[in-house]
Amino acid sequence: NAGVTQTPKFRILKIGQSMTLQCTQDMNHNYMYWYRQDPGMGLKLIYYSVGAGITDKGEVPNGYNVSRSTTEDFPLRLELAAPSQTSVYFCASSPSSYEQYFGPGTRLTVT
Amino acid sequence: AQSVTQPDIHITVSEGASLELRCNYSYGATPYLFWYVQSPGQGLQLLLKYFSGDTLVQGIKGFEAEFKRSQSSFNLRKPSVHWSDAAEYFCAVGAADSSYKLIFGSGTRLLVRP
Repeated sequence: NAGVTQTPKFRILKIGQSMTLQCTQDMNHNYMYWYRQDPGMGLKLIYYSVGAGITDKGEVPNGYNVSRSTTEDFPLRLELAAPSQTSVYFCASSPSSYEQYFGPGTRLTVT
Repeated sequence: AQSVTQPDIHITVSEGASLELRCNYSYGATPYLFWYVQSPGQGLQLLLKYFSGDTLVQGIKGFEAEFKRSQSSFNLRKPSVHWSDAAEYFCAVGAADSSYKLIFGSGTRLLVRP
């Protein structure tokens, strides 16, 4: 059972480039979340989804987009990357409860 | 609005010593409370949770936490720290809607002296 997987593990982007962070879970969880983690700031929610086809903004959605075409996948899209998006990104899933299962994270640097 | 405060950014304890990490929350009703641990380079792992009932909850790895409504606190404790406990610890409260979102504190980094 792989749980929540994220790819890539590391990425360096130039300012203005775009990329998609992949997140897949094999636990058939309805709820999925994207967070960013900045030093000393804890985790901030970017977007979340309560099921396939349904997404909603979290606390810090600007500069990001998501889609949820299947239960398993919840990709996060960065358009026109900016240095302020340098962070560690975590995907999580939940079986309709507050207990969230986290992926290993993607460390993104924008220069 | 709901919020979580972890007043200690860093804590250093000696191996074998006891540990208490502080967490205060802001929420009007009975909160759903959590402690997560993040080892270096890893994702977050749930240590324990409080939903209702007994205010002292036991978690994995020998950790426990006590919910004190009068103090709006949910402090994490361990009687004897091991070097492998060095990590970052996050307290979280469940959002008061149907999204099952978590609101995290800023974290406390635990360093363990040999």
